[in-house]
Amino acid sequence: GENVEQHPSTLSVQEGDSAVIKCTYSDSASNYFPWYKQELGKRPQLIIDIRSNVGEKKDQRIAVTLNKTAKHFSLHITETQPEDSAVYFCAASKGGLTGGGNKLTFGTGTQLKVEL
Amino acid sequence: DTGVSQDPRHKITKRGQNVTFRCDPISEHNRLYWYRQTLGQGPEFLTYFQNEAQLEKSRLLSDRFSAERPKGSFSTLEIQRTEQGDSAMYLCASRASQSEETQYFGPGTRLLVL
Repeated sequence: GENVEQHPSTLSVQEGDSAVIKCTYSDSASNYFPWYKQELGKRPQLIIDIRSNVGEKKDQRIAVTLNKTAKHFSLHITETQPEDSAVYFCAASKGGLTGGGNKLTFGTGTQLKVEL
Repeated sequence: DTGVSQDPRHKITKRGQNVTFRCDPISEHNRLYWYRQTLGQGPEFLTYFQNEAQLEKSRLLSDRFSAERPKGSFSTLEIQRTEQGDSAMYLCASRASQSEETQYFGPGTRLLVL
């Protein structure tokens, strides 16, 4: 089955700096890669996603890049703010019209701390 | 609130007891997923419904676990003869259709088995 590895497990940055979180996946058939943000005691919330037919996607301060050949994808947060502090999870699935049920396989999470 | 809801939010039980959790997906979402999340880990897939049909179950879902979605709307997850290792957050997620891949998560049910 799919295996997703995520690094680093913790990341501290100064406010205004950029943060990068990296994930690798094992199943070359995976074609959907979402990123979730989870604040303490709250539900995971989707912040951005990318499909395998796209190499990069950006939404304001957040961007995701995908390298299908190397089977890795990354989350980039620019101009970090204290409210960005949370645990971030990457995930992979075989979704859409290819079937596979779209069950998500998650990484182990990155605790991001944005310091003032 | 039109999001995914779960009940109860917290459950404390003694080892050996049975527990049942409920998930109400977003209206008209025909796909519903159960995940389990332990401290410091990402959610792990347990099972998945398309309408009322349970289409996939993880090997994590032992025979003490059963899930239903009888009318294709809300779902229940039952754990029989609970063990301390069952202590975790149980998350439910729903998704609109085959072409819409985003899964929306509920707030979870935190289970503590004493």
